[in-house]
Amino acid sequence: DAGVTQSPTHLIKTRGQHVTLRCSPISGHKSVSWYQQVLGQGPQFIFQYYEKEERGRGNFPDRFSARQFPNYSSELNVNALLLGDSALYLCASRAGMTGGPEAFFGQGTRLTVV
Amino acid sequence: GESVGLHLPTLSVQEGDNSIINCAYSNSASDYFIWYKQESGKGPQFIIDIRSNMDKRQGQRVTVLLNKTVKHLSLQIAATQPGDSAVYFCAEKEDFTGNQFYFGTGTSLTVIP
Repeated sequence: DAGVTQSPTHLIKTRGQHVTLRCSPISGHKSVSWYQQVLGQGPQFIFQYYEKEERGRGNFPDRFSARQFPNYSSELNVNALLLGDSALYLCASRAGMTGGPEAFFGQGTRLTVV
Repeated sequence: GESVGLHLPTLSVQEGDNSIINCAYSNSASDYFIWYKQESGKGPQFIIDIRSNMDKRQGQRVTVLLNKTVKHLSLQIAATQPGDSAVYFCAEKEDFTGNQFYFGTGTSLTVIP
């Protein structure tokens, strides 16, 4: 069984550019959450999507947006990249919208902004 | 966001010894706590969880202790193995049914063979 898959694994962008990160949840999972993990810190919640609707949003600027597709895969978009956006972006999936842990994380996308 | 922090950023233990990783949290309304293990280049891996109506929960070689009076959480790993070397995070949320988790900074555990 495939776990949570994210693409790309690494990418380098220039300040001011836009980036799109992708996540495919575990088959049958309808919820996808996005986290930002800056080096040396714990993950920070960005968004949760469930059944293609935003169900939660962390303390991130409007430059960050996301969407979920009918097949439950998701994209995280970041506009006008800043150096401080350099981080590991993690996607987590679960079957239901709420309840219990985020038990299934992808390996992450390492974004470097130069 | 909430403040969830760890007492020690690094911990080194001898193989076979027991490890204790601590975590302090500031939100007295927190209802649900989780420990994660993160190996280099990988996403967090769920280890064990505990709800606020419990003070102890055991898994395979791991035990989580919760002291709500002093807002402290700990993870005990028995007979630590080299494969346990990783960064360990505690995470919490106010409601078991909620969707937003707050993670601590992490403790790096190194197991010395």
